Amino acid sequence: KAGVTQTPRYLIKTRGQQVTLSCSPISGHRSVSWYQQTPGQGLQFLFEYFSETQRNKGNFPGRFSGRQFSNSRSEMNVSTLELGDSALYLCASSLVGTGSGNTIYFGEGSWLTVV
Amino acid sequence: AQRVTQPEKLLSVFKGAPVELKCNYSYSGSPELFWYVQYSRQRLQLLLRHISRESIKGFTADLNKGETSFHLKKPFAQEEDSAMYYCALMNNAGNMLTFGGGTRLMVKP
Repeated sequence: KAGVTQTPRYLIKTRGQQVTLSCSPISGHRSVSWYQQTPGQGLQFLFEYFSETQRNKGNFPGRFSGRQFSNSRSEMNVSTLELGDSALYLCASSLVGTGSGNTIYFGEGSWLTVV
Repeated sequence: AQRVTQPEKLLSVFKGAPVELKCNYSYSGSPELFWYVQYSRQRLQLLLRHISRESIKGFTADLNKGETSFHLKKPFAQEEDSAMYYCALMNNAGNMLTFGGGTRLMVKP
């Protein structure tokens, strides 16, 4: 079974631009979540989607948004990019996304550099 | 609010030595804790979870609610254990992980 796949793997953007990152969860998984990983702040939760609905959101500005499609694929968007948005963005998926015993699996991430 | 603390950023040991990576948590609910490992140039992957009470690659971790700790242990470290290790706490809804800052384990030959 294929793991969580993310595209693109690497990208460079200019300040002020926007970026869209894509994620395909493990087949059958309906919950998709996103995390930001930076050397300074570590791994931080961005948001989680289940059945196309955002169920949980981390403490990030409104420039960070996401969505989930009916096939469980997800995208996240960052508008008006700032230098501090340079990070590894991780997508994760789980089967049902709720309750005890839920296991979350991670993709390899999308490396975003803002110049 | 939930919080996870890994006090050591770097832990360096010799091959064959015992290893203990510390993790402390703060959570008002019933905690569900995990250890994730990230080998060089690889994705973050689940190492073990406390509810399974299993041993993976020789690693074990016991949840101590009294000390709010979930330390990761291995009696004899191997060079291939060198990696970043993250302790994580799941929220009650089961859809969000809070990570500690991570500990880089270096096992020297």
